[in-house]
Amino acid sequence: EIVLTQSPGTLSLSPGERATLSCGASQSVSSSYLAWYQQKPGQAPRLLIYGASSRATGIADRFSGSGSGTDFTLTISRLEPEDFAVYYCQQYGSSSWTFGQGTKVEIK
Amino acid sequence: QVQLVESGGGLVKPGGSLRLSCAASGFTFSDYYMSWIRQAPGKGLEWVSYISSSGSYTNYPESVKGRFTISRDNAKNSLFLQMNSLRAEDTAVYYCARRMTSSKVFDYWGQGTLVTVSS
Repeated sequence: EIVLTQSPGTLSLSPGERATLSCGASQSVSSSYLAWYQQKPGQAPRLLIYGASSRATGIADRFSGSGSGTDFTLTISRLEPEDFAVYYCQQYGSSSWTFGQGTKVEIK
Repeated sequence: QVQLVESGGGLVKPGGSLRLSCAASGFTFSDYYMSWIRQAPGKGLEWVSYISSSGSYTNYPESVKGRFTISRDNAKNSLFLQMNSLRAEDTAVYYCARRMTSSKVFDYWGQGTLVTVSS
């Protein structure tokens, strides 16, 4: 099973600042199968990025994804108040899916 | 618009059984692969089952294999999860999710149903 490790665990930033979230894999992951989700309290996760760098329908262009192999990054260029949430990376491989443990982006 | 609505959660004793349902609307259900994904209270996400569009192929992680069974009724636009031999560690919100046709990621999720396993 591929283990995804997200860092940092918590990111304390102010609105307008840039957020950089990392996702590291225990072995190489196909970029086609790497995704990022946003989850707010009491809500289901929402797909932000798929294929490592493609934005899902309706996702603002301040969200961008990059990376390959074992290192992937989600960048939020300028934080809006509604972006404070928990973010998860996810991969598919060997007929199974795994998620990272999440990064919480909180207001500083 | 795409809607996924889960039901069937509740309180069950260890060793008991529960059947979850997910009603789908707003898309051609029979065209899509579906999954169940769970989230223990205050924890992260864990994939727990997967079914092909026709229902002929299913897959599970080791943590639930042999205890959980995913199924679907395409005529009724419904997805199911039969959970047997439940354990305290199965306590979680269970989400049904649609897999994108073009990628192995989940583009729509239901609001979830809470399953609590406790004596």
